[in-house]
Amino acid sequence: AQKVTQAQTEISVVEKEDVTLDCVYETRDTTYYLFWYKQPPSGELVFLIRRNSFDEQNEISGRYSWNFQKSTSSFNFTITASQVVDSAVYFCALRGGRDDKIIFGKGTRLHILP
Amino acid sequence: KAGVTQTPRYLIKTRGQQVTLSCSPISGHRSVSWYQQTPGQGLQFLFEYFSETQRNKGNFPGRFSGRQFSNSRSEMNVSTLELGDSALYLCASRTGEDTDTQYFGPGTRLTVL
Repeated sequence: AQKVTQAQTEISVVEKEDVTLDCVYETRDTTYYLFWYKQPPSGELVFLIRRNSFDEQNEISGRYSWNFQKSTSSFNFTITASQVVDSAVYFCALRGGRDDKIIFGKGTRLHILP
Repeated sequence: KAGVTQTPRYLIKTRGQQVTLSCSPISGHRSVSWYQQTPGQGLQFLFEYFSETQRNKGNFPGRFSGRQFSNSRSEMNVSTLELGDSALYLCASRTGEDTDTQYFGPGTRLTVL
């Protein structure tokens, strides 16, 4: 069975601090996709990044970076120099399997304090 | 390109009633998925439609049903509403190809009284 675990339920940091959101996944598939989404208070999930299982390259996009490590089944997300606008719930998701379903973690609520 | 749209954005119903939610996917997207989001259960997959056929289904009772039209627009219906059906219902669309990404709409907030 597939599973996504986001152990951090809620995190609070002061603006300009760096923060890392953890994501650990379980799957028996050799081909799968990992995603991160951001859900601001408005409710809409905003796509941030997709990674396939064959691409372990880390990625940096502005203040955001992602560290994908198959050896530890982790796909962690780091925000550098956090800003108040980064306050949101962040979801990690896994897609794969014969039925190609997408499984979401429970989400991490991030508070950036001014 | 316009994003995924959902109507209505807010809905209040009473127990026992039924409700229909609508989702218009991004142009060119043939797959539409529905999710229920509640504080206790998080994001739960309801079902996915692709080219008018249900391709996947989550673990929800038969009161939850959906359909997709030839223009890829989708509707979700919940019959005999229960208090526990109060949730944010999110629709997401994607092209349907292997490497694609799912994009979400703003959601419909359903409150059952």
